[in-house]
Amino acid sequence: QQQVKQSPQSLIVQKGGISIINCAYENTAFDYFPWYQQFPGKGPALLIAIRPDVSEKKEGRFTISFNKSAKQFSLHIMDSQPGDSATYFCAASDSWGKLQFGAGTQVVVTP
Amino acid sequence: GAVVSQHPSWVICKSGTSVKIECRSLDFQATTMFWYRQFPKQSLMLMATSNEGSKATYEQGVEKDKFLINHASLTLSTLTVTSAHPEDSSFYICSASWASSSTDTQYFGPGTRLTVL
Repeated sequence: QQQVKQSPQSLIVQKGGISIINCAYENTAFDYFPWYQQFPGKGPALLIAIRPDVSEKKEGRFTISFNKSAKQFSLHIMDSQPGDSATYFCAASDSWGKLQFGAGTQVVVTP
Repeated sequence: GAVVSQHPSWVICKSGTSVKIECRSLDFQATTMFWYRQFPKQSLMLMATSNEGSKATYEQGVEKDKFLINHASLTLSTLTVTSAHPEDSSFYICSASWASSSTDTQYFGPGTRLTVL
């Protein structure tokens, strides 16, 4: 049973466009929500993370929007570049620190 | 900072043999290390959590006698796949975090590709 539901499974965006990935969770004990970027054959790399006391966090071209009442959070990639083509995973953890990952979204940025 | 390495990066072994994978935190002391496996085009599945000096805690459905985890120091954890079979072929990834961190951030290693013939 997947505790974090992620959509879409894949998306194609043109260079310069905005990529949006959505995640939803049920467990209200989750208090940390990171996003990871993974290239083929590599380990995941932390992109950006948020805690539920903040509704939005921005780092460069990456923004997390968090809706605590709806138990949803999303990643926006602004001005998408071909180098952003990768698989993105949302995740959530509680105070025990164990991450629950979403299913992943494969993003392809076309030139 | 917060670099995690894994060795080897890939390994091929015969069915029935054992394989050991090392996970090291290079520039911090990892009080907790996690082991994941990932099948092609799938998400990461947590196998076990290990704290330095303690026995690992395995997730439901993970055979502890098959996947031996040792976290003998604050910078090294090992995963041994015993009597490996083709169905154990997968991408194994470790991550590490430290208790004094103000976040729950886990830093991931580059992964180890295991192929069992």
